[in-house]
Parts: sequence; C-alpha cells; structure tokens
Amino acid sequence: GQQVMQIPQYQHVQEGEDFTTYCNSSTTLSNIQWYKQRPGGHPVFLIQLVKSGEVKKQKRLTFQFGEAKKNSSLHITATQTTDVGTYFCAGIEAGGTSYGKLTFGQGTILTVHP
Amino acid sequence: EAQVTQNPRYLITVTGKKLTVTCSQNMNHEYMSWYRQDPGLGLRQIYYSMNVEVTDKGDVPEGYKVSRKEKRNFPLILESPSPNQTSLYFCASSLSTGVANVLTFGAGSRLTVL
Repeated sequence: GQQVMQIPQYQHVQEGEDFTTYCNSSTTLSNIQWYKQRPGGHPVFLIQLVKSGEVKKQKRLTFQFGEAKKNSSLHITATQTTDVGTYFCAGIEAGGTSYGKLTFGQGTILTVHP
Repeated sequence: EAQVTQNPRYLITVTGKKLTVTCSQNMNHEYMSWYRQDPGLGLRQIYYSMNVEVTDKGDVPEGYKVSRKEKRNFPLILESPSPNQTSLYFCASSLSTGVANVLTFGAGSRLTVL
C-alpha cells in the first residue's frame, strides 16, 4: 500500500534558524496536505498543494510540491518559539481505487530553543 | 463554533472492560474517521465512514468497532481493551472525500489500558 515517509523525525533549532521537513511518497499523489500539532494539542490543517511544482507561502512558511508529485517540503524561515510542534504531511494517492484516503507521514517534531 | 467533540478526553481502564469514545461534529460533514497516534508512528487510521451507515476499515482496525447511525456521531468502541491499545486517539471529519478531504480534528482522547 501507499507509504508516506517524513524526515527528520526530530529537529532541534535555535530561535532564528531555519527549519525544513521533507515528505516522500511511495506513489504519485493527487494532492498533499500539511498539518501542525502543537504540544498537547490536535492536528490543525495548514495548507493543501495540488499542482505539480506548486509553491505556496504563509508568512515565514514555504510549502513545495515536487514536479513528480511524489514529494513535498515545508520550510520555516527564522523559526520562533511559537513554531514548536509536530508537522505532518498527508497525501492522497493519485488514481487510487480508494475513496481519497489521506495517508499521514510519521511527523517531524520541532523544538525551538530561545 | 464549528468543531469535533470527543469524550472522554482522558481515560484509564483495565484490560477487558468495554469502553466507548464518543465523537460528534456539528458541521454536517459526510466523512468521519478515527486515528490513533503513537510515538514515531504518526497518525494511523483505524476506521472511517463516508456517510451514514457506511463504515470501513482503515490501516489498524483490529480490536475496534465503529458505528454511524447518525451523520453527526461516530463512536469508537473497544469491546475488550488490551494494553497495546494505550494511545492517543483522534476523531476527524471533513465535508467530503478526495481533494475536498481537509480534516478537522477533535481535541483527542488519551486512553491508558492497564
């Protein structure tokens, strides 16, 4: 079945440093979503990418969808303590027989030292 | 306020004692799903429902049951809980499936089985 791998599992940065998490799918995706889970909280939708090579920005966050639609990345510029949490990618397999199931990556836990 | 409500938020129980975790959404969403979150494993889907009376297994359905008698409710039933079901559980819903499948998560239910 479809697998979505996310790396790194953990990332510790100093406040002000940049951060990137990568997401790779075993199959071509129709779209990919990113969620953020604050410590002790629940996942919250951040963004969805649909087009090959798509790049979207939300303030200091930049999301990319690969040309082959099998990988994606989230880059945070100049991290702040408010960025701490776990970042998940989740993809829907293109042309799959399923209903459009979202398969989640394992998540990247980001800690930011002030 | 649009939300997914789960209860209980925290529960400690003993092996074999049946329990139900309730989930309710007030957004008239068609799709509902249950996930469990374990360290290093991300979010794994237990069961999902595409509409009333339509449910299907996710990736880790063993030991769980669900029902969808009403559109708003999607309870998770553990008939005979075991320690390996100790986990953090999330209920989620979305308007539809496929590209529109942006999930809204509940606050989570932390279950400990002794």
